[in-house]
Amino acid sequence: KAGVTQTPRYLIKTRGQQVTLSCSPISGHRSVSWYQQTPGQGLQFLFEYFSETQRNKGNFPGRFSGRQFSNSRSEMNVSTLELGDSALYLCASSPLDRGGELFFGEGSRLTVL
Amino acid sequence: AQKVTQAQTEISVVEKEDVTLDCVYETRDTTYYLFWYKQPPSGELVFLIRRNSFDEQNEISGRYSWNFQKSTSSFNFTITASQVVDSAVYFCALSELYNTDKLIFGTGTRLQVFP
Repeated sequence: KAGVTQTPRYLIKTRGQQVTLSCSPISGHRSVSWYQQTPGQGLQFLFEYFSETQRNKGNFPGRFSGRQFSNSRSEMNVSTLELGDSALYLCASSPLDRGGELFFGEGSRLTVL
Repeated sequence: AQKVTQAQTEISVVEKEDVTLDCVYETRDTTYYLFWYKQPPSGELVFLIRRNSFDEQNEISGRYSWNFQKSTSSFNFTITASQVVDSAVYFCALSELYNTDKLIFGTGTRLQVFP
C-alpha cells in the first residue's frame, strides 16, 4: 500500500511569492492534516480536511490556506511568503474512523530567501 | 490550554543501553489521547503508540515500553537494549479524544545511539 506522497519535496522561493504544496493520502483515507515543522516553533497543526471540508484550523494567519479534492488529495497554499515560512510542511492522512493514528508523508521542505 | 513538555533535548547512549524518554503533558480535558511518534532522518513521522486517558496500563511492544501515569501527567517511553537504528527524534503528542487529527506535539528528544 503506497504511503502518503508529498510534492514537491524541496523548493526555494523568494519573499512575496506564493507556493502550493500537494499531498496524496493513502488510498481509502479521507482525512488529511497539515503540519508545519520549524526549529523554533516545532511541530504545529495547520489544518485538517475531511470530505472536502475544513474541520479544524490551527493558529496561522490567513496567508495559509488549503483545500481538499473529491479524491481526497489535498493542497495547501501560502501567499506572500515571509522568511519565517521556511519550514518542513508535513501532510498526514488517517482512516475514516477517528481516534486512529496519523500516517505522515516525508514532507515538503520550503526555503524562503 | 494543552501543552506537552519533553525536557530532554538530546540523549546519547551506547548500543545495548536502556534509555527512557520523558514526556509530561497538561490538559484540562478529562479524556484525551497520548501518542509517541518517531522521526527518522528521512523526515516522515512514524506512529509508535496511542494511549487513551482511560487506560493507565503500561504497554510493552518488543524492546519498547510505555509508562502512563495520570497522577503525574506523564507518559514516558523506554527503549530496552537500544540499537543504532533507534537513532531518531522522538515526539510525544496529545489530542482531544474526538479530535485526534489535531495533535499538540512536544519539542522532541533527539536520541543518538552509538555503536
